[in-house]
Amino acid sequence: AQSVAQPEDQVNVAEGNPLTVKCTYSVSGNPYLFWYVQYPNRGLQFLLKYITGDNLVKGSYGFEAEFNKSQTSFHLKKPSALVSDSALYFCAVRDGRWGGYNKLIFGAGTRLAVHP
Amino acid sequence: DSGVTQTPKHLITATGQRVTLRCSPRSGDLSVYWYQQSLDQGLQFLIQYYNGEERAKGNILERFSAQQFPDLHSELNLSSLELGDSALYFCASSAAGLAGGGNEQFFGPGTRLTVL
Repeated sequence: AQSVAQPEDQVNVAEGNPLTVKCTYSVSGNPYLFWYVQYPNRGLQFLLKYITGDNLVKGSYGFEAEFNKSQTSFHLKKPSALVSDSALYFCAVRDGRWGGYNKLIFGAGTRLAVHP
Repeated sequence: DSGVTQTPKHLITATGQRVTLRCSPRSGDLSVYWYQQSLDQGLQFLIQYYNGEERAKGNILERFSAQQFPDLHSELNLSSLELGDSALYFCASSAAGLAGGGNEQFFGPGTRLTVL
């Protein structure tokens, strides 16, 4: 069965400092991994994904994520946080064996608060 | 703007009633997904349609049903509503189909359902 864990309900970081939002996953086949961000009263916005290839994936708004197969992790990072990055972040995984036939499983979400 | 539209934006109704939520996917996307987001359950996958056919099913109650029409718009029908059905309902679309599990999903702004 697929599962995603985001171990931190909230991450606090000062503006200008690096940020990390953690995600670990469990799938039987090769993972397709995604990060989404949700601003208040808005839908989820796609940030980046890992399907195959380079373990370091770069996405929107200066975010990047590193796929680590041995640790089954896909942590989201940004070198310098902005107050406008404050939002709810979701990690999601899909089992690559089934293509588009199976569901995308989302983590519980991590609230990122960037303080001026 | 993701290109996915959902109507209505807000819906207030009473227990026992039936409502229909509507979603129009991005131009060219054949897959439509429905999600329920609530404080206690997080983001839950309900159901996926691809080009008019059901492709994957998640934690969708028997009181809920969905369909995708020939013009690719989709409707989610919720009946015999209960207080616990109050939530934000999202529609997403992607180009994902038979082998496109790596395609990201684009989310609509959601419909906030309140059951009184």
